Amino acid sequence: AQTVTQSQPEMSVQEAETVTLSCTYDTSESDYYLFWYKQPPSRQMILVIRQEAYKQQNATENRFSVNFQKAAKSFSLKISDSQLGDAAMYFCAYRSGGSQGNLIFGKGTKLSVKP
Amino acid sequence: KAGVTQTPRYLIKTRGQQVTLSCSPISGHRSVSWYQQTPGQGLQFLFEYFSETQRNKGNFPGRFSGRQFSNSRSEMNVSTLELGDSALYLCASSFVGGAAEQYFGPGTRLTVT
Repeated sequence: AQTVTQSQPEMSVQEAETVTLSCTYDTSESDYYLFWYKQPPSRQMILVIRQEAYKQQNATENRFSVNFQKAAKSFSLKISDSQLGDAAMYFCAYRSGGSQGNLIFGKGTKLSVKP
Repeated sequence: KAGVTQTPRYLIKTRGQQVTLSCSPISGHRSVSWYQQTPGQGLQFLFEYFSETQRNKGNFPGRFSGRQFSNSRSEMNVSTLELGDSALYLCASSFVGGAAEQYFGPGTRLTVT
């Protein structure tokens, strides 16, 4: 069975600084997808960034980028120029390839942004 | 385009009762997935429906069931509620599986007393 581990329950960053959230996963599959989701307090979960396992290039979405190390099964999220609105729970998620893959989530990292 | 909607947003029930939660996916999305979120267990997959058929199921007891209608709207039902069923229930919709992004609704907060 696949598992996703986020080893940092809480993180803090100063506004405008850079922070990296860690995620490792375990799988024997070769076809899969990795995601980072953001869940602000009392608000909806939204997708931050997505990575296809077959792509070597790290995904980037504006201030958000990932460091995807397939051999090490590591998928970290880097947030540059942190903003107050980035404060939220961040979940790393895994999904098998194919048409029937459900999301497997890590426990989440609570990110605080200090003004 | 309207997002995923879930009703009701909040619900208080008593042990032993049953409850039905509703989810309306984004227009055109045919896949609906349900997740349970609790502080202790985190986010856990309940089931997925596609074209009115359950095609994937998580490790939950049979008290948890669901269905999907021809317009892709989905309902989940929990019978004989237990205190441990108190959770945020999230619905997510997508076009198809695989890399397709899952769009989440705001959730239904269920409290069992």
